[in-house]
Amino acid sequence: DIQMTQSPSSLSASVGDRVTITCQASQDISNYLNWYQQKPGKAPKLLIYDASNLETGVPSRFSGSGSGTDFTFTISSLQPEDIATYYCQQYDLFGGGTKVEIK
Amino acid sequence: QVQLVQSGAEVKKPGASVKVSCKVSGYTLTELSMHWVRQAPGKGLEWMGGFDPEDGETIYAQKFQGRVTMTEDTSTDTAYMELSSLRSEDTAVYYCATKNYGDYYFDYWGQGTLVTVSS
Repeated sequence: DIQMTQSPSSLSASVGDRVTITCQASQDISNYLNWYQQKPGKAPKLLIYDASNLETGVPSRFSGSGSGTDFTFTISSLQPEDIATYYCQQYDLFGGGTKVEIK
Repeated sequence: QVQLVQSGAEVKKPGASVKVSCKVSGYTLTELSMHWVRQAPGKGLEWMGGFDPEDGETIYAQKFQGRVTMTEDTSTDTAYMELSSLRSEDTAVYYCATKNYGDYYFDYWGQGTLVTVSS
C-alpha cells in the first residue's frame, strides 16, 4: 500500500512569509497529487490538482510542484485568510494535514 | 456548478446504524463519481469509499468493509451512506465529495454531517 507522509504537521509564520509544505509518497504516483484547504468547521476545498494545476478561482499565491514521490505546496505570501489546515491527497489516501497559523 | 447538500446531524447509540444522504444539484449523479470521506473530531480526513467508474462498482476502504453501504437513487440524484454497528470511534463529520470521471481529485464537497455515537 502507498503511504503519504506530509510535513510539517504544523507551522507558524508571519503575514507575507513564504510557506512550504511537503508531501512524500512511498512509491511513484506520477502527478496524481492534490492539495486541499480546510478552515475550521468547513468542508475541504480543492486548491491544486494534478500536482501543479491551480483550481479555478484560487488565488495565484498558492502553487504546487513535484512528480513521482516528492511534492511541494507553497503559499508565496501568507495572508490572514490562509489560516487553515492543508491536506495532500492521492487517490484514496490523505496526508496527515498541516495546520498553518499566524505568528 | 455542482452543489451537494447533506442531511442533518444525527445522534445514535452504539450498535445502531446511521444513513446519511447527499443531494446533488447542478449535475446528475450519473455524471459524477460519488465518494464519502469522514473526519473524527480534531483528526484528519479518511476516505471511506466511492464509485469507481473504471470498474463500474462501488469500492470500500478495507477498514469499513462489511459495515458500510453506499447507494444512489438516480431518480432523485441523491446518494446515501449507511454505516452499521456504530461505535464511539465512529463519531465524526461525514462528507460526500465528487470526482469527475477520469479525474483523481475531489472537486465538490457537501457541507458535512455530524454523527455522534453515544450511549
